[in-house]
Amino acid sequence: ETGVTQTPRHLVMGMTNKKSLKCEQHLGHNAMYWYKQSAKKPLELMFVYSLEERVENNSVPSRFSPECPNSSHLFLHLHTLQPEDSALYLCASSQVSGGQETQYFGPGTRLLVL
Amino acid sequence: AQSVTQPDIHITVSEGASLELRCNYSYGATPYLFWYVQSPGQGLQLLLKYFSGDTLVQGIKGFEAEFKRSQSSFNLRKPSVHWSDAAEYFCAVGGTGRRALTFGSGTRLQVQP
Repeated sequence: ETGVTQTPRHLVMGMTNKKSLKCEQHLGHNAMYWYKQSAKKPLELMFVYSLEERVENNSVPSRFSPECPNSSHLFLHLHTLQPEDSALYLCASSQVSGGQETQYFGPGTRLLVL
Repeated sequence: AQSVTQPDIHITVSEGASLELRCNYSYGATPYLFWYVQSPGQGLQLLLKYFSGDTLVQGIKGFEAEFKRSQSSFNLRKPSVHWSDAAEYFCAVGGTGRRALTFGSGTRLQVQP
């Protein structure tokens, strides 16, 4: 596969469930991102990992827990979510290179919390 | 703080007509600017980007954008729109020292036959 892939593409979960979103990049990049896209709101950055270290956490509730085991994989672990967490979750990757970085996005996971 | 404004929430154009989508940004240093396109149910695809140099940049699918520092703008243009261009378009700004991009709210483009 090429580019950035995300699984699952769609997820329905109850508020008491625990699930994980997976992102994999095949571009040889060394930085990965989670964004949240809600209806009628701009894309919101959630987390940034650079060289497998979390470098940015944008005031995200603790019910979202990221994990970056290596430079190609990024997970978002979900537990006790709220209905307002229903959104499209987008993963992106980039190559850290002196500032001129371009982020490439995956297709997203559409999450519905009941 | 950096911000991006896309003043047009929704635009409708006829197929074959020209298109201009507006983007204004606020950024305290040299901005890096991007346009992405999102089709329904899909992720974001990079159309074009500006880092430095020539202020008129060419992208994929026949799109171009012009960086105007004096107006803090980075408008996207296409001379002749195709029905397949119907999608949502996002402008984003980034810069050295900060990984994250700041996105505008998007402009939804509808193309009439």
